[in-house]
Amino acid sequence: SQTIHQWPATLVQPVGSPLSLECTVEGTSNPNLYWYRQAAGRGLQLLFYSVGIGQISSEVPQNLSASRPQDRQFILSSKKLLLSDSGFYLCAWTPGSPGIQYFGAGTRLSVL
Amino acid sequence: RKEVEQDPGPFNVPEGATVAFNCTYSNSASQSFFWYRQDCRKEPKLLMSVYSSGNEDGRFTAQLNRASQYISLLIRDSKLSDSATYLCVVPSGTYKYIFGTGTRLKVLA
Repeated sequence: SQTIHQWPATLVQPVGSPLSLECTVEGTSNPNLYWYRQAAGRGLQLLFYSVGIGQISSEVPQNLSASRPQDRQFILSSKKLLLSDSGFYLCAWTPGSPGIQYFGAGTRLSVL
Repeated sequence: RKEVEQDPGPFNVPEGATVAFNCTYSNSASQSFFWYRQDCRKEPKLLMSVYSSGNEDGRFTAQLNRASQYISLLIRDSKLSDSATYLCVVPSGTYKYIFGTGTRLKVLA
């Protein structure tokens, strides 16, 4: 069966520090991968998605970036965090398009 | 008009009640729809998929009204454990998904 791993679960970072969140999927190949952010009490905002290795589509230009170095690995990064980057970051995958999205457990990021 | 719109609630209902939420969408070409459940501080989890007129799974029924461009979620015999936020999701294009902001449900003892 397929599983999605996302870590860390919680992160507290100072303003201006770098960020790296990792997401991996097991039990499938060539998944479509997604990064979302959910601010407190708000809906899910699509940040990036990828349909293949090295292919990244950006939805919201900001100080975040994403990379897909391997088929089942998706990384969200920032060189310098802002206070507004705080939120709940969720990684998701789909086996096809459009299809059911499956979410990782999420990373709760607090930028102080 | 927003691409996907939901009443944020909260809907406060007693145990055993029947409750229904609606979700309106703007893209008339959408073919599939999803309801997700999100517990506080947790990830969304799929509740139901809707590909045609509707779908039923136990106490949960989802219906699609293409003419009026909305989907509904009906929960019968509400349980305390049904308390959560219910997200409506509509695919946009080949790869993207638009999430509604969710409807909060509180089932009261």
